[in-house]
Amino acid sequence: GNSVTQMEGPVTLSEEAFLTINCTYTATGYPSLFWYVQYPGEGLQLLLKATKADDKGSNKGFEATYRKETTSFHLEKGSVQVSDSAVYFCALSDRDDKIIFGKGTRLHILP
Amino acid sequence: KAGVTQTPRYLIKTRGQQVTLSCSPISGHRSVSWYQQTPGQGLQFLFEYFSETQRNKGNFPGRFSGRQFSNSRSEMNVSTLELGDSALYLCASSPAGTDKETQYFGPGTRLLVL
Repeated sequence: GNSVTQMEGPVTLSEEAFLTINCTYTATGYPSLFWYVQYPGEGLQLLLKATKADDKGSNKGFEATYRKETTSFHLEKGSVQVSDSAVYFCALSDRDDKIIFGKGTRLHILP
Repeated sequence: KAGVTQTPRYLIKTRGQQVTLSCSPISGHRSVSWYQQTPGQGLQFLFEYFSETQRNKGNFPGRFSGRQFSNSRSEMNVSTLELGDSALYLCASSPAGTDKETQYFGPGTRLLVL
């Protein structure tokens, strides 16, 4: 079945460091891919998405490129801030429009 | 436009009781999905409703049920509560059309079963 695998956390970085959170997926067909972020005490917010191969989603300095050949959708940011501390979820939309989430990666940014 | 709202935000129940959670989607959204979030299992899909009909269902026992009303508001019910039902329950709504895959989440209802 369809699934999403993302790197386990927590990931701890210093402010202004470069961030990569790996995400790979297994799916039939061509799913849409998403990154959601959950700040402490809140629900999930859509961070970015890509709907077809080679699309790049971007928002708030975060980027992810839909790589069909490697079935990956890695999240990157060039310079993280303390306010980026949160849990990040990679997800895909399957043929039934059901969203399948990865287990989440907790990110800690140190000042 | 107001976001997805969920009530109540916090709930404490005892084993064997039942609970009903409510979700009001963003105005104009007709799809509502429910998720259970726990530290061990992560986000697990419960079910999705669209135009008052259950369209998708996850792998949860029959104690978990839901419904959707004509105004798209949705409720989920858990009967005969177990300790393991303690979780954050998230509701998400989706628009129709080209953005139908994007989910907009509410803040969640945190349920503690004692």
